[in-house]
Amino acid sequence: QSALTQPASVSGSPGQSITFSCTGTSSDVGAYNYVSWYQQHPGKAPKLMIYEVSNRPSGVSNRFSGSKSGYTASLTISGLQAEDEADYYCSSYTSSGWVFGGGTKLTVL
Amino acid sequence: QITLKESGPTLVKPTQTLTLTCTFSGFSLRTSGEAVGWIRQPPGKALEWLALIYWDDDKRYSPSLKSRLTITKDTSKNQVVLTVTNLDPVDTATYYCAHKAPEVRETHFDYWGQGTLVTVSS
Repeated sequence: QSALTQPASVSGSPGQSITFSCTGTSSDVGAYNYVSWYQQHPGKAPKLMIYEVSNRPSGVSNRFSGSKSGYTASLTISGLQAEDEADYYCSSYTSSGWVFGGGTKLTVL
Repeated sequence: QITLKESGPTLVKPTQTLTLTCTFSGFSLRTSGEAVGWIRQPPGKALEWLALIYWDDDKRYSPSLKSRLTITKDTSKNQVVLTVTNLDPVDTATYYCAHKAPEVRETHFDYWGQGTLVTVSS
C-alpha cells in the first residue's frame, strides 16, 4: 500500500484559514470513511485531531474541521494561531490495514 | 484515563531482532472492541503503520513488512509486544504504540505512547 499524498508544506498568517489536502485511491480514502488527522509538534507524539472524516474528539478546538470528496480528504484550520504550527498527518483505513500520508508542515508566519 | 508506554532497547545491531513492549492502562485487551497498534517514524520522516492486535487475537500487519513482524499480547500484564526481525539501519525510528478506538475495527488511533527511539547501527 502506498502512502497517502500530502503537500510537503503550507503556510499562513494568524487569523487566516488554511486547508490541507490528503489524496488517496479507491482502496483507501475513496473506499472508507475512516480518515483521521493527527497533529505532531516537534519531539512529541501525534495527537488525534479529526476522526472518521469529520468528527472532532473531545477537547479539540472547533477551529479544526474535516471533509472528504472522492479520493481526497481535507483538514481545515480556521483562525490560525501560532500554536497550530506543527506537522499534520492524514491516515486512512485500507483493506490491508492503515496507511499514513507523508505529512504537511504548517508554518504560521 | 488511557495511557501507553513503549519500552525496549535503544541500540541494536544490523541483522538482530528487536523486541518492543507496550505497557498500557485504562483499558483491557480482554474487552470486546479493544486493540493496540504499532506505528514508527524514522527521524525527520513520516509515520508508518506496522501492526495491530485486536482483543480477539486477530492480527493485522503492514503488507510491506509482514514477513518481519510479529505482534502478541499478554492480557494479564496489559502488554503488547512487537518483534521485528533482520534489522537494517533503515529501521532506525521512533516506535509508537497506540490505542485504537474501540467503536469499529477500522477506525482511528486515539491515544498514543510517548514513543521510543531505536537506532540500528553496528
